[in-house]
Amino acid sequence: AQKITQTQPGMFVQEKEAVTLDCTYDTSDQSYGLFWYKQPSSGEMIFLIYQGSYDEQNATEGRYSLNFQKARKSANLVISASQLGDSAMYFCAMREGTGNTPLVFGKGTRLSVIA
Amino acid sequence: GAVVSQHPSRVICKSGTSVKIECRSLDFQATTMFWYRQFPKQSLMLMATSNEGSKATYEQGVEKDKFLINHASLTLSTLTVTSAHPEDSSFYICSAREGTFSYNSPLHFGNGTRLTVT
Repeated sequence: AQKITQTQPGMFVQEKEAVTLDCTYDTSDQSYGLFWYKQPSSGEMIFLIYQGSYDEQNATEGRYSLNFQKARKSANLVISASQLGDSAMYFCAMREGTGNTPLVFGKGTRLSVIA
Repeated sequence: GAVVSQHPSRVICKSGTSVKIECRSLDFQATTMFWYRQFPKQSLMLMATSNEGSKATYEQGVEKDKFLINHASLTLSTLTVTSAHPEDSSFYICSAREGTFSYNSPLHFGNGTRLTVT
């Protein structure tokens, strides 16, 4: 079974509008972390936002917020006031446990912002 | 912030030759580094976990004799693709985390190496 599922291969959003990118996860660990990364066409991986399994509040970082619904095992990324520079691939990833373990990535969502 | 430097960013080599990719943590020590591979329009897949001073741990299906990993210091890990073939053409990207057991620490990624084998 996939640990991270991103069901939207591609999304379009009008500039200045908000957009939600979906992510569901599967783990039996009680301690885990959820991360979102942005990958522009240049290939670099840019860390956007983090949500811990024990965090009661949804994470926010500037225009990025994470809609964390633990019971539903979902961690959707919300980008407000979209900008043309937001056009990129977006990956949801999970770290299980509390050790120095790797991230497992979803298949990604390609976001295109339209002027 | 934490910086991971990867070199080269792009390499073209002939089939049968070997290619070495370097990954350095510039402003922090990394006892562990992770190597990922990304085929076009696909996700990042973990290849191996590189541990300073010990053998790397490879994911299932990754040939350890083909993808040699050396983590000789706390700031440098290298991936050598030996006897490269066209099917090894891919985007290779390394990553590391500041702090060993801080579970909220993100992985910091190098800028990746685009390998093309002709």
